[in-house]
Amino acid sequence: DAKTTQPPSMDCAEGRAANLPCNHSTISGNEYVYWYRQIHSQGPQYIIHGLKNNETNEMASLIITEDRKSSTLILPHATLRDTAVYYCIVCSSNTGKLIFGQGTTLQVKP
Amino acid sequence: GAVVSQHPSWVICKSGTSVKIECRSLDFQATTMFWYRQFPKQSLMLMATSNEGSKATYEQGVEKDKFLINHASLTLSTLTVTSAHPEDSSFYICSARSSGRVGNYGYTFGSGTRLTVV
Repeated sequence: DAKTTQPPSMDCAEGRAANLPCNHSTISGNEYVYWYRQIHSQGPQYIIHGLKNNETNEMASLIITEDRKSSTLILPHATLRDTAVYYCIVCSSNTGKLIFGQGTTLQVKP
Repeated sequence: GAVVSQHPSWVICKSGTSVKIECRSLDFQATTMFWYRQFPKQSLMLMATSNEGSKATYEQGVEKDKFLINHASLTLSTLTVTSAHPEDSSFYICSARSSGRVGNYGYTFGSGTRLTVV
């Protein structure tokens, strides 16, 4: 499974958009990009996933570059409850395993 | 949406005893379940993958005789930590995936079990 690189931490003002980058330059054609977040002492929460097209749901938008080597998770209007560790994961359709990296700690500030 | 129930949410046990953790998919059939372990201030580490009705596949470095995984039905998987020691104290989390092609859905995680061995 391809590895991902994320900044260790980011800050965002409440009400503003939070843009979380992820680099996955070794991604292969059958690998999906998944985003999860984890609030302290809880299980990870699914946010969104995609293969090559941009995706949007009620929580966030996922923008994947055309070469698929990087992506950005966008929380359009961050709230204090969005403070969490955000994980970008590349998942192979062959193995089906989610291998977590270190993630980005997003701190939303009032 | 899909819900995975994990019990207990926390447990304290004495060194040398065994502890069983249950993971149930409440509204879908989970053909594959995953077990993770997370130490403080660290990321989740995949321990093993279990498919319903077959033996679990363990990641490198995970002792299969110590961490017994059973996935006897499409809605239940259990992790038993045998002869627990203080170094096994950790946050254990399960994840379930329904049948079908990877990419058609997200993976649902349980709320985790905090194990403390004294």
